[in-house]
Amino acid sequence: SAVISQKPSRDICQRGTSLTIQCQVDSQVTMMFWYRQQPGQSLTLIATANQGSEATYESGFVIDKFPISRPNLTFSTLTVSNMSPEDSSIYLCSVKGQMNTEAFFGQGTRLTVV
Amino acid sequence: SQQGEEDPQALSIQEGENATMNCSYKTSINNLQWYRQNSGRGLVHLILIRSNEREKHSGRLRVTLDTSKKSSSLLITASRAADTASYFCATASIGDYKLSFGAGTTVTVRA
Repeated sequence: SAVISQKPSRDICQRGTSLTIQCQVDSQVTMMFWYRQQPGQSLTLIATANQGSEATYESGFVIDKFPISRPNLTFSTLTVSNMSPEDSSIYLCSVKGQMNTEAFFGQGTRLTVV
Repeated sequence: SQQGEEDPQALSIQEGENATMNCSYKTSINNLQWYRQNSGRGLVHLILIRSNEREKHSGRLRVTLDTSKKSSSLLITASRAADTASYFCATASIGDYKLSFGAGTTVTVRA
């Protein structure tokens, strides 16, 4: 198992600003992911954070809007840039040790853009 | 992207009753997983069933998988107020490390 510390847990931000969310894992993990969960919806994968290289983004998500860093195997950040009220969501960090195993999640960051 | 559909969307039951929810998916999978989410917090892994398994138990949880129908069910027996949460199925396609989540079922257990 893995213990994930995600912060901030919540924030209220002004439109046009950016917020960086941090994800710290208590052990080295191969795969790290960022998800978005819009109000009342399921989870949508934003990108896979790759250690030492650019993140792999899913359709509909771009690096300019959601830049991701992963400097090592235990840490990653997701930035939500130039925010609008439509970005109000829960953002979740997740890790997997191996391909066909369960995923572990951080507690999420509840973002409200006003 | 989401590939799973879950039903019902919402379920309200009395404490002590059983809760059953279903998940359907579209592609061939390596495994199917169920997660619980309390009040918009992080997801907690409940159980994983592999494509060559048909049924799996964990405590009060029973999961079935029918790969011919591309469907799974989660049964929670003798429900408790603490089981109130949203439940999501997630599939891992063959050769893919990513999980694709279903729409979720919100379960409310009344005391």
